[in-house]
Amino acid sequence: GAVVSQHPSRVICKSGTSVKIECRSLDFQATTMFWYRQFPKKSLMLMATSNEGSKATYEQGVEKDKFLINHASLTLSTLTVTSAHPEDSSFYICSATGNNNEQFFGPGTRLTVL
Amino acid sequence: DAKTTQPTSMDCAEGRAANLPCNHSTISGNEYVYWYRQIHSQGPQYIIHGLKNNETNEMASLIITEDRKSSTLILPHATLRDTAVYYCIVRVAGGNAGNMLTFGGGTRLMVKP
Repeated sequence: GAVVSQHPSRVICKSGTSVKIECRSLDFQATTMFWYRQFPKKSLMLMATSNEGSKATYEQGVEKDKFLINHASLTLSTLTVTSAHPEDSSFYICSATGNNNEQFFGPGTRLTVL
Repeated sequence: DAKTTQPTSMDCAEGRAANLPCNHSTISGNEYVYWYRQIHSQGPQYIIHGLKNNETNEMASLIITEDRKSSTLILPHATLRDTAVYYCIVRVAGGNAGNMLTFGGGTRLMVKP
């Protein structure tokens, strides 16, 4: 299947700083990318849907000014957690869909905010 | 997307078949059944999907009942590496490329030696 990468795989930051997570589709052009968040022992929760060249669509309860999403090209989307706080510590996972509409997931990024 | 119901957890002996059930009684005619799994601290991995016919690939088999209200994922010879959370999801395939996946609680499969 298609490959989706995320960088970094884990990050530790101080409270109040901003963290950027990259999601790349390595061997296909992703028309749509999704960002999920997963807390320990919980299921994945969709945060936002991102289409190349347009504004992301955020799920209810997700602050768009806190979780900035940029989808500047067909192979790259970024999620920036601004002014991170300990409650933002979580496992962030992206996925990407190509023309066949199948979703391929990245390996995830574990964020720890001290 | 239709809701699905799965057991919270299951155990399976290594080398035996693992049968993971899923109920999706409100599935629509144009919705497929998808299975993903998530090994600890990794992203979800696609396993298999089907509409109404049984499907088999190198990873698993998918058995869908005739009324399509339930299905079973079968791992024919479970190994320790199959220990993961398995998610059953129903969704429309094709069409709008922005179709998202809605994850339920999944089944935590523990394969034991």
